Amino acid sequence: ETGVTQSPTHLIKTRGQQVTLRCSSQSGHNTVSWYQQALGQGPQFIFQYYREEENGRGNFPPRFSGLQFPNYSSELNVNALELDDSALYLCASSLSGIGYEQYFGPGTRLTVT
Amino acid sequence: AQRVTQPEKLLSVFKGAPVELKCNYSYSGSPELFWYVQYSRQRLQLLLRHISRESIKGFTADLNKGETSFHLKKPFAQEEDSAMYYCALSGQAGTALIFGKGTTLSVSS
Repeated sequence: ETGVTQSPTHLIKTRGQQVTLRCSSQSGHNTVSWYQQALGQGPQFIFQYYREEENGRGNFPPRFSGLQFPNYSSELNVNALELDDSALYLCASSLSGIGYEQYFGPGTRLTVT
Repeated sequence: AQRVTQPEKLLSVFKGAPVELKCNYSYSGSPELFWYVQYSRQRLQLLLRHISRESIKGFTADLNKGETSFHLKKPFAQEEDSAMYYCALSGQAGTALIFGKGTTLSVSS
């Protein structure tokens, strides 16, 4: 069984640029959730995808968008990067519905300068 | 407002001492409560959840709906328990997790 993987591990972008982060879900999982973890804070829910449709969204602006592919892998896109977007971005996969455990990936560290 | 509060940023104890990591929540409804742990250089992982009522690695947590608390306890701390601990909740409508800011547990000999 393969766990959740994320790429890249680290990246540095300039304010105003766009970035795409990638996540491969654990085998058999059809739901992917994305979280932003700023330094010294707990993870904050961005959105969730189930069967290629957005299935819930946290308090993030529209410049944060996502995709889920037929193989349940997912992308997080952030446009017009701001300095405050610097954070660790976590992806978690699960089966759908209440009660299923979310399995987290190692995260992508994004630095915006 | 949905919120999870972990009042302690850092908790330092000696090996063998009892541990209690505090967690209070605010939620209109009946949430599911979790404790997640992150050991050094490892990914975030589920430690326990209130519906399973399990004891994992000697840790237990009881949901107190009257006090809206879900404190994590262990009677005798071990050095390998040193980690960052996050309390989290999810609502009945879906599986989005709301996390607290986390508590660093440091166990020294």
